[in-house]
Amino acid sequence: AQSVTQLDSQVPVFEEAPVELRCNYSSSVSVYLFWYVQYPNQGLQLLLKYLSGSTLVESINGFEAEFNKSQTSFHLRKPSVHISDTAEYFCAVSDGGSYIPTFGRGTSLIVHP
Amino acid sequence: DAGVIQSPRHEVTEMGQEVTLRCKPISGHNSLFWYRQTMMRGLELLIYFNNNVPIDDSGMPEDRFSAKMPNASFSTLKIQPSEPRDSAVYFCASSAGGYTEAFFGQGTRLTVV
Repeated sequence: AQSVTQLDSQVPVFEEAPVELRCNYSSSVSVYLFWYVQYPNQGLQLLLKYLSGSTLVESINGFEAEFNKSQTSFHLRKPSVHISDTAEYFCAVSDGGSYIPTFGRGTSLIVHP
Repeated sequence: DAGVIQSPRHEVTEMGQEVTLRCKPISGHNSLFWYRQTMMRGLELLIYFNNNVPIDDSGMPEDRFSAKMPNASFSTLKIQPSEPRDSAVYFCASSAGGYTEAFFGQGTRLTVV
């Protein structure tokens, strides 16, 4: 079974600063990788996904993530964060065997003015 | 489509009572997941249905929990009898299957007193 590790439970950062949220997964032959965002009292929303092709994927609101197969990582980055990016971020992995998404524990991104 | 619809949004019940959570997945999706979210354990998969058939229920905590999917547009998660340690946010999610992303409902916040 897949396992997902999000190394940081909380990441505080000032507005307009860059940020990286880390995600590592247990290795598998073929994996599909996702980042979700959860705002308070809401469900999870897909931020971006890697299925195949280019290892760098982007979202519409400036986030990007890079699939690194050798390091089994899928870190999320944004060059300049906004107050509105304050939320919980979840990394998820599914593999070609079960297609069941396994989620990390989440990272709370806190953007300070 | 209105997305995944869960009801109720909030439920407060007394220990020992039966609780039923409801979910309407996105039309056309053939995979349905029930997750439980707590501060202590994060997001845990309870059960996974594919084409209305339970495929993986290894995450169901104990016999007090049961889930059904009588048709493609409705699923229930029942807890009987409920206990205070069942207090959590319960999410339903659906997907088009395979490696496609899961779409989450708004969740049901359950409080057992």
